[in-house]
Amino acid sequence: KQEVTQIPAALSVPEGENLVLNCSFTDSAIYNLQWFRQDPGKGLTSLLLIQSSQREQTSGRLNASLDKSSGRSTLYIAASQPGDSATYLCAVNTGANSKLTFGKGITLSVRP
Amino acid sequence: NAGVTQTPKFQVLKTGQSMTLQCAQDMNHEYMSWYRQDPGMGLRLIHYSVGAGITDQGEVPNGYNVSRSTTEDFPLRLLSAAPSQTSVYFCASRSTGVNEQFFGPGTRLTVL
Repeated sequence: KQEVTQIPAALSVPEGENLVLNCSFTDSAIYNLQWFRQDPGKGLTSLLLIQSSQREQTSGRLNASLDKSSGRSTLYIAASQPGDSATYLCAVNTGANSKLTFGKGITLSVRP
Repeated sequence: NAGVTQTPKFQVLKTGQSMTLQCAQDMNHEYMSWYRQDPGMGLRLIHYSVGAGITDQGEVPNGYNVSRSTTEDFPLRLLSAAPSQTSVYFCASRSTGVNEQFFGPGTRLTVL
């Protein structure tokens, strides 16, 4: 059974810092991995999708990498801003009908 | 496009009552799914559908029914609500061939 872990559960950093959010998964036979952002009381916003054949994807200040063999993905946020404060969720698609297995998320607080 | 929409946003039920959570998407996506999000548990898949007339169970299907009569709509039915079904429910969709999944804003359900 696929398990997805995100550690730590919470992170607080000063504005302007570059930071890395980690995600690990137990079964390397994945189709893709998706990073989401969730603001308090809101839905999930897709940030980046990495296909299993890709090593990384970039969108603005965000860069996500994937190392399937080691079961790891990282989300890099450059020059963090208070507006980046949210919970970041990692989800793995192990293929069968696109069922996503989610980590519990990392709650990020960026201090002005 | 409105994307994925869910109604209602909030609902309070008494134990034993029934209700239907509505989900609709206007992107002509074949794949739709329902997740529930609970503190400390992350998001878990309830039911999913790969197209009109086709549904299947996810990780936590007990107590929930679904049907998919059209491409656009995927309602989730609680036949006899229980306090354990207090949760935030999210609907998601994606198109065949495009792996990125899109989530609705959620329905916050409380069962007393």
